[in-house]
Amino acid sequence: DTGVSQDPRHKITKRGQNVTFRCDPISEHNRLYWYRQTLGQGPEFLTYFQNEAQLEKSRLLSDRFSAERPKGSFSTLEIQRTEQGDSAMYLCASRSSGRADKTQYFGPGTRLLVL
Amino acid sequence: DQQVKQNSPSLSVQEGRISILNCDYTNSMFDYFLWYKKYPAEGPTFLISISSIKDKNEDGRFTVFLNKSAKHLSLHIVPSQPGDSAVYFCAASESNFGNEKLTFGTGTRLTIIP
Repeated sequence: DTGVSQDPRHKITKRGQNVTFRCDPISEHNRLYWYRQTLGQGPEFLTYFQNEAQLEKSRLLSDRFSAERPKGSFSTLEIQRTEQGDSAMYLCASRSSGRADKTQYFGPGTRLLVL
Repeated sequence: DQQVKQNSPSLSVQEGRISILNCDYTNSMFDYFLWYKKYPAEGPTFLISISSIKDKNEDGRFTVFLNKSAKHLSLHIVPSQPGDSAVYFCAASESNFGNEKLTFGTGTRLTIIP
């Protein structure tokens, strides 16, 4: 059983460039989440998908951010015109739709550094 | 507005003794609570969870206690081992109200002293 995977693990970019991250959830999980973590803070919710439908977006997700899950499997998170404040760890999590287990399982994260 | 608070940024415990990590919350709609462990440069690893219909859940060396009236939960690790040294995050959600997002505390760094 493979866990949640994320690619790339690290990304360094210059301010103003676009970046895209990928998340592959646990295979039988239909719910997928994106979080962002900055130094000294806990993860903060960004957005959530059930299958291919994006059901909730945080106000943290500015217009420069877009997330997709086109076939209800993997998801991508794109940041356009990156700013230094976007530097953070971007975490993806997934869970099954069962009511018994509400646990979200996290991937290893993508660490973004904007210069 | 920090709805989930971990007031102790760090904690040091002797190996073999009990580690107690605390978490307070303000949102009375939270009904599902989780503890995650995180090593540097890795994603959070799930440890244990508890539903608001329970006041205790145990899994091996880990026990979570929930006091709804005080809006307080704690994680007990006994006996503590060197591999337990990590940052521990408390998280909560309003799962029965269709709100999927987890709200995290700021974490407590646990150091186990050999």
